[in-house]
Amino acid sequence: GAVVSQHPSRVICKSGTSVKIECRSLDFQATTMFWYRQFPKKSLMLMATSNEGSKATYEQGVEKDKFLINHASLTLSTLTVTSAHPEDSSFYICSARGPYSRADTQYFGPGTRLTVL
Amino acid sequence: AQKITQTQPGMFVQEKEAVTLDCTYDTSDPSYGLFWYKQPSSGEMIFLIYQGSYDQQNATEGRYSLNFQKARKSANLVISASQLGDSAMYFCAMREGRNTGNQFYFGTGTSLTVIP
Repeated sequence: GAVVSQHPSRVICKSGTSVKIECRSLDFQATTMFWYRQFPKKSLMLMATSNEGSKATYEQGVEKDKFLINHASLTLSTLTVTSAHPEDSSFYICSARGPYSRADTQYFGPGTRLTVL
Repeated sequence: AQKITQTQPGMFVQEKEAVTLDCTYDTSDPSYGLFWYKQPSSGEMIFLIYQGSYDQQNATEGRYSLNFQKARKSANLVISASQLGDSAMYFCAMREGRNTGNQFYFGTGTSLTVIP
């Protein structure tokens, strides 16, 4: 199946620093990518929809200036958590709309665990 | 109203037995897709099975089958012959409409534990 990678898988940073997370579709082009946040033992919360070549669409309550999304190419989207604080610690997962199929499912990256000290 | 409801926070099943994970959904769109994903402790989301709203037959993928009851708006996942490796979180999800860029709505998940 389609493969999506995320880098880094884990990151620990100090409060006030910025962290960039990359999401890549490895064997297909993804015009649309999604960024989710997941708290322990909770469901996925959609943060934003990232479209190649245009501005991301953020969900209500998600600060666009804090969570910067750039979808610069058909295989790469980045999420930058700016001026991170301990409450930003979470599991961040990206997904990409895969190659055309009847199911048209999303393919998920392995996730990035962010810990802000 | 919740788009996707999973009422079983935790389930246990004996190895080699079958188990049903419940999922109900809410939509007024006649066109939608229903998905099940497995999330092991490593965190990755693994696509298991898909059911389209216009599909006449229940979807099956190996040991996974989807019991689709449209009138009841339910899409339960059945796992047959459970294996220890099936222990994980399971999420039901829905995409409304035909636009392939539409977002997915996820349920709160069911934690499945397979007992040897």
